[in-house]
Amino acid sequence: NAGVTQTPKFQVLKTGQSMTLQCAQDMNHEYMSWYRQDPGMGLRLIHYSVGAGITDQGEVPNGYNVSRSTTEDFPLRLLSAAPSQTSVYFCASSLPPKGTSYNEQFFGPGTRLTVL
Amino acid sequence: AQKVTQAQTEISVVEKEDVTLDCVYETRDTTYYLFWYKQPPSGELVFLIRRNSFDEQNEISGRYSWNFQKSTSSFNFTITASQVVDSAVYFCALSVPGTGRRALTFGSGTRLQVQP
Repeated sequence: NAGVTQTPKFQVLKTGQSMTLQCAQDMNHEYMSWYRQDPGMGLRLIHYSVGAGITDQGEVPNGYNVSRSTTEDFPLRLLSAAPSQTSVYFCASSLPPKGTSYNEQFFGPGTRLTVL
Repeated sequence: AQKVTQAQTEISVVEKEDVTLDCVYETRDTTYYLFWYKQPPSGELVFLIRRNSFDEQNEISGRYSWNFQKSTSSFNFTITASQVVDSAVYFCALSVPGTGRRALTFGSGTRLQVQP
C-alpha cells in the first residue's frame, strides 16, 4: 500500500491563479480530510468527507472547494489563490468510527504552497 | 468546542538532558482521545501515541513517557536522555468521536532543539 499520497510536493502560484491539490489513498478509507499548517498555529481542518459524494466544512473552509467522486480521491481546489493561503497542506484518511471507537488517521507527506 | 494548548513555543536542551513538553486540553465530552505527533525537519507527521479518556495509565516507550491527568486536563510528554534526533516540532492533539467531523484539534506545537 502506498498509504496517503499528495501531489505536488511544492507549488508556487501567483495571486488569482487557481489550482488543485491532489490527495489519494489506497486503503479503502471512507473518511478523508484536509488540514493546513501555519507557523505557530498547528494544523487546522479545512474540509472533510465521510464518504464518496459527501463533504462538509471544517474550521477554515473559505477560499477552498472539495469534491469526493470516488473513495480513493479527495482533491482540494483553490479557485483564486491569495497570499493568505500560503501554507503547508496535509491530507489525512481513516476508517469510519463505530460508536465511540477511534481509527487512526493516516497523514500524507504534505504540499508546500506559496502564493505570491 | 475543543481546545489544545501547548504553552511552550520552543525548548532548547543539551543532549542527554530530560525534557517535558506540556499539553493542556479542553473539552466538555467525557469520551475523547489524545495524541502526540512528531514533525521532524523533513515535514511529515509521525504518530507517537494515542490515549483514550478512560485510560489514565501512564505509558513508557523507550525514552518516551506520557503522563495523562484528567484532574488537570493535561497530557504531558517526557523525553529522557534527549538526543539530537529528537529535534522536531511536537504536536498534541485531541479528537472527540461520535461527531461527523472526527477532526483532530491540534495545539500550536512545541519546537524542541537538542544541542549536541
